[in-house]
Amino acid sequence: EAQVTQNPRYLITVTGKKLTVTCSQNMNHEYMSWYRQDPGLGLRQIYYSMNVEVTDKGDVPEGYKVSRKEKRNFPLILESPSPNQTSLYFCASSSQGGWTDTQYFGPGTRLTVL
Amino acid sequence: GDSVTQMEGPVTLSEEAFLTINCTYTATGYPSLFWYVQYPGEGLQLLLKATKADDKGSNKGFEATYRKETTSFHLEKGSVQVSDSAVYFCALSDDRGSTLGRLYFGRGTQLTVWP
Repeated sequence: EAQVTQNPRYLITVTGKKLTVTCSQNMNHEYMSWYRQDPGLGLRQIYYSMNVEVTDKGDVPEGYKVSRKEKRNFPLILESPSPNQTSLYFCASSSQGGWTDTQYFGPGTRLTVL
Repeated sequence: GDSVTQMEGPVTLSEEAFLTINCTYTATGYPSLFWYVQYPGEGLQLLLKATKADDKGSNKGFEATYRKETTSFHLEKGSVQVSDSAVYFCALSDDRGSTLGRLYFGRGTQLTVWP
């Protein structure tokens, strides 16, 4: 089954404790990205990647890091989480990132930073 | 810059009622337009899309027409069901945007359908 998976689905942590949210897709997509969803703000892009070893900032990259060492994986790293990073996070992928492409979303990771 | 404005919710309807959720956009180039749906506890999934002016996207009884003259992509369904209760997001992807592949989302509209 074609899908985007994320782990963990739920995470409660404390300020300053490094964490990684994993994202994996099995559709051989070149393009992957991370969004955060906050009430009243819709979804905002954090980082994106056009291919292996190619990443760039989205709208709200501060406090986040990403890496793309393999085509299928695109982990999101919070080196020193803060309470304002409490949010619902979605990973997405599409075949080549073209403007007509459908993006496929993971199930989401709900992060709470205390 | 690129942006999407959609009707604020929540929207509450009785089963079999007619649904319209308004969406207008601002874009630099010639965008593709999308409606994504988020069911409770799930990720977003594509509902329908249109990639050029006057195209109509349709799926599961939902329709939306890409209107360049009014920069709109309103979502409609003739007869909603309880199972349509979800959050609906209008989004665009611009062929001339500074970030390839980026989706610009509206704030989402919560739809609740009562039996």
